[in-house]
Amino acid sequence: AQTVTQSQPEMSVQEAETVTLSCTYDTSESDYYLFWYKQPPSRQMILVIRQEAYKQQNATENRFSVNFQKAAKSFSLKISDSQLGDAAMYFCAYSDYNTDKLIFGTGTRLQVFP
Amino acid sequence: DTEVTQTPKHLVMGMTNKKSLKCEQHMGHRAMYWYKQKAKKPPELMFVYSYEKLSINESVPSRFSPECPNSSLLNLHLHALQPEDSALYLCASSQEGVVRMFNQPQHFGDGTRLSIL
Repeated sequence: AQTVTQSQPEMSVQEAETVTLSCTYDTSESDYYLFWYKQPPSRQMILVIRQEAYKQQNATENRFSVNFQKAAKSFSLKISDSQLGDAAMYFCAYSDYNTDKLIFGTGTRLQVFP
Repeated sequence: DTEVTQTPKHLVMGMTNKKSLKCEQHMGHRAMYWYKQKAKKPPELMFVYSYEKLSINESVPSRFSPECPNSSLLNLHLHALQPEDSALYLCASSQEGVVRMFNQPQHFGDGTRLSIL
């Protein structure tokens, strides 16, 4: 069965600095999608970034980028120039054709200090 | 502002009450989802509707009854809930993919925080 592991329950970063959140996954599929979702205290889950497994190029969305290592089954999220509004719970998620649903990791709580 | 609207935002009910949660989206999405989320945990999938038909039921107890009256609306009817059902209930929607839904990002609402007395 597919699994997603986030080994960092909590992380902290100084405002304007860079932080990397780790995510590893296990699958025997070759075609799948990976996502990072952010959930601030306001509760809404917000899609941060998406990566297709068949694409070698790492996805980037403004200050957010991923380091996708398919062979290592690793999918880390890098947040550059961190802002106070980045403070939230971050969930890594996986989906493939067979599961056809999101499988979430346990989450990483990110604190941003001024 | 969220494009998926959930009402009410908070709900307190007794174990014998009957209530309903409502979710609405106007993005033309044909897949809609209910999740349950306990504090400091990831969301757990409950139900998936695709083109107004129930496609996934994750072995949810019958005291939770979903309904999809049309492509924009998703309800969750609650009856005889237990204290352990207290949680945040999230609704989400996504485009229906070419073949399946797995490659479509899901758009979430703000959730309904449910407390069972």
